[in-house]
Amino acid sequence: NAGVTQTPKFQVLKTGQSMTLQCAQDMNHEYMSWYRQDPGMGLRLIHYSVGAGITDQGEVPNGYNVSRSTTEDFPLRLLSAAPSQTSVYFCASSYAAGGYGGNTIYFGEGSWLTVV
Amino acid sequence: KQEVTQIPAALSVPEGENLVLNCSFTDSAIYNLQWFRQDPGKGLTSLLLIQSSQREQTSGRLNASLDKSSGRSTLYIAASQPGDSATYLCAVRKRSSNTGKLIFGQGTTLQVKP
Repeated sequence: NAGVTQTPKFQVLKTGQSMTLQCAQDMNHEYMSWYRQDPGMGLRLIHYSVGAGITDQGEVPNGYNVSRSTTEDFPLRLLSAAPSQTSVYFCASSYAAGGYGGNTIYFGEGSWLTVV
Repeated sequence: KQEVTQIPAALSVPEGENLVLNCSFTDSAIYNLQWFRQDPGKGLTSLLLIQSSQREQTSGRLNASLDKSSGRSTLYIAASQPGDSATYLCAVRKRSSNTGKLIFGQGTTLQVKP
C-alpha cells in the first residue's frame, strides 16, 4: 500500500512551457485534490475530484487543468507555466469529500516546481 | 468565512518538556479537524483526526482535543524529543462545503533542543 504517490519530486520549467504533475493513489479513494503551498499563503485548493469523470475548481484554478479518467489517477496539467506558479504542489486523497467525520485525508510527498 | 489560526507561529523547547500547540477556527460547522506534521522538504503526515462529535484523540505521546463550541483545538505533545522538531498544521473540513476543501492554519514550527 503506497498511499499517495506524486511525480516528479522536482522540476524546473521555462516560462510558457507546459507539463503534467502525476498523482496516483492505491487506497480506492473517491476524492482527490491538488493544493499548492506558498510562504505566507498556506495551502490553497487548486482542483478537486469526487470520482472518476468528475472534476471541479477549487479556489486558485487559473492556469491549471485536471482530468480523472480512473479512480487511481489525478494528474495536474500546467498549460503555460508562469513564474507565479513556482510553488510546492501536493496531491491529497480521502474516502469522500465529506459525509462523515472519520474521513482522513492523505497527502503525497509534494512536487517542487520552479518556473524561470 | 472559515478562518484557522495557529498560535504560536514558532516554539523552541528543551527536550523532555511537555508542550501545547493551539489551533482556533471561526466556524463550528465542521466535519472534522485534522492535525498534520510537515518536515522540511517533505509532505504532510496525518497525526490525528478528531470528528466533530468527539472531544479528543490520542496516539502515543500525542493528544488532540476539540472544543467545537469555542472553536478551539489543542495538540499536546508529552515528553518532547528532538525528533518532534517539525511544523505542525491543523486543518478543518467544513460541513457546509461539498468541495472537501481543508482550511489550514499557518502552522507552528517546533524546535526541540537536545
